[in-house]
Amino acid sequence: AQKVTQAQTEISVVEKEDVTLDCVYETRDTTYYLFWYKQPPSGELVFLIRRNSFDEQNEISGRYSWNFQKSTSSFNFTITASQVVDSAVYFCALSPLSQGGSEKLVFGKGTKLTVNP
Amino acid sequence: DAGVTQSPTHLIKTRGQQVTLRCSPKSGHDTVSWYQQALGQGPQFIFQYYEEEERQRGNFPDRFSGHQFPNYSSELNVNALLLGDSALYLCASSRAYLTGELFFGEGSRLTVL
Repeated sequence: AQKVTQAQTEISVVEKEDVTLDCVYETRDTTYYLFWYKQPPSGELVFLIRRNSFDEQNEISGRYSWNFQKSTSSFNFTITASQVVDSAVYFCALSPLSQGGSEKLVFGKGTKLTVNP
Repeated sequence: DAGVTQSPTHLIKTRGQQVTLRCSPKSGHDTVSWYQQALGQGPQFIFQYYEEEERQRGNFPDRFSGHQFPNYSSELNVNALLLGDSALYLCASSRAYLTGELFFGEGSRLTVL
């Protein structure tokens, strides 16, 4: 069975603080993709990153960075110098390629991030 | 370049009724997936359509059915509505074989009374 756990239900920070969103996943597949999506109040999910299970290199994109550790089955997301516009619900997701992979994503329950001015 | 568009944005139905939700994929995309997102939960995969056929299906009963048209647009149909079907229904489009690069619409909020 596939499972994604985001233990932090809600996080509140003050602008310019750094914040890390945790994601732990479970899968028996050796090949899979991991994702992060952002869901602003408008409702649409916005793709942030995809990471292949063979690639454990950390990635940085502007103020965003991702730490993938296969040994602990974690894929954490850090926002540096947070801004009010970062306020949203963030979802971590898993796509096991053994099940045809592609669009069948398993999502966590999400972490609601509030950045206060 | 229009993104994924869904209609209607909001609708209210009563138990036992049937509902049809519509989705137009992003230009250049040929694959449509549907997700159900209950309040406070992550989206759950319903099914995926490619080349007008259902390719993958999640753990949803047969009351949930769909269709994809030659222009790649798609419909989600839910029969015999239950209170528990109240949710945000998200449509996502992608290009085949580009795993997980989904573009989502803003969803259709269904309330079942």
